[in-house]
Amino acid sequence: AQSVTQPDIHITVSEGASLELRCNYSYGATPYLFWYVQSPGQGLQLLLKYFSGDTLVQGIKGFEAEFKRSQSSFNLRKPSVHWSDAAEYFCAVGARAAGNKLTFGGGTRVLVKP
Amino acid sequence: NAGVTQTPKFQVLKTGQSMTLQCAQDMNHEYMSWYRQDPGMGLRLIHYSVGAGITDQGEVPNGYNVSRSTTEDFPLRLLSAAPSQTSVYFCASSSRDTGFSGYTFGSGTRLTVV
Repeated sequence: AQSVTQPDIHITVSEGASLELRCNYSYGATPYLFWYVQSPGQGLQLLLKYFSGDTLVQGIKGFEAEFKRSQSSFNLRKPSVHWSDAAEYFCAVGARAAGNKLTFGGGTRVLVKP
Repeated sequence: NAGVTQTPKFQVLKTGQSMTLQCAQDMNHEYMSWYRQDPGMGLRLIHYSVGAGITDQGEVPNGYNVSRSTTEDFPLRLLSAAPSQTSVYFCASSSRDTGFSGYTFGSGTRLTVV
């Protein structure tokens, strides 16, 4: 069975500083990997996804993620954080079973200090 | 606009009441799923369907029923609401052929059971 771990529940970062959110997954085959962002009271917005190919994936809002098979990781990064990046971030792994099931991590809440 | 539509957006129920959360998609997706989101746990799969007339249980199916009489609609029923079902519910749809490429979430239903 697949699983996703986001080790950091909360992260506080200063505006303009870099951000890295960690994600570790467990899955037997080549994974489909995703990062979603959720602002308070809002729905889920897809930041980026990895299916195959280049292991460095570019997403929206200046985010990128790197797939490292040897470490079973898919960490999310942003070089310079903006106040509007304050939100909760979810990593997910997909399986082409159970109706294209997504398994989510518990989320990391990002606070941005001015 | 094409996508996944969930209604209502907010609902308050009393313990023991029943209700149906509606989900409709207009993308002719074969697969539809219901997830619930709880703090610190990400999203968890409740039920899913791989086509009209076919449904199956996900990770947390207890207390919920589903049916899929048409490709477009996938309602989630709470027969006797309990406070433990207070959550945010997301419906999602995707294509059997394109898999996660067109994976789409609805905007969510926030349910409070008192």
